[in-house]
Amino acid sequence: KAGVTQTPRYLIKTRGQQVTLSCSPISGHRSVSWYQQTPGQGLQFLFEYFSETQRNKGNFPGRFSGRQFSNSRSEMNVSTLELGDSALYLCASSFTMDNSPLHFGNGTRLTVT
Amino acid sequence: GQQLNQSPQSMFIQEGEDVSMNCTSSSIFNTWLWYKQDPGEGPVLLIALYKAGELTSNGRLTAQFGITRKDSFLNISASIPSDVGIYFCAGQLGHAGNMLTFGGGTRLMVKP
Repeated sequence: KAGVTQTPRYLIKTRGQQVTLSCSPISGHRSVSWYQQTPGQGLQFLFEYFSETQRNKGNFPGRFSGRQFSNSRSEMNVSTLELGDSALYLCASSFTMDNSPLHFGNGTRLTVT
Repeated sequence: GQQLNQSPQSMFIQEGEDVSMNCTSSSIFNTWLWYKQDPGEGPVLLIALYKAGELTSNGRLTAQFGITRKDSFLNISASIPSDVGIYFCAGQLGHAGNMLTFGGGTRLMVKP
């Protein structure tokens, strides 16, 4: 069974640009979550989607957004990039909405210059 | 943002030694999970704990869900070089979503 797939693996962008990251969950998993990992703040929750609806949102500015498609694939978008957005962005999928362990992809390493 | 208190931050041990790390929280969680992250990869789920007091093993790994639901520990017995990595605990409330709150991580280094 294929794991969570994230594309691209690496990305370099300039301040002010926008970026879209993609995530394909494990087959059969309907919940997709996004996390930001930085050396200073660790792993921080961004948002969670289930059945194409955002169910939970972390404490991030509105520049961070996401969506989920009918096939459970998800994208997240960051607009007006700032240097501080440089991080590893991790996508995780789980089978159900509640109390279901998360399985992570290998992430997209975003560098903002 | 909120993080769980995970200790120790790092450990440098001899191959064959046992390892213990723990996580505490001021809040109650309904599920505790332990992950391992290798460089350049995402966290991999090691053990999931669903019930207060539960003790679960996965090979050389043993984890327990604290009786107060505010803490958990992970033990690794007879460590080997491939145990090197960063171990994260995570708490999950489990209702209205799967959101995880993570500990700061324990970096494990094993000397052959």
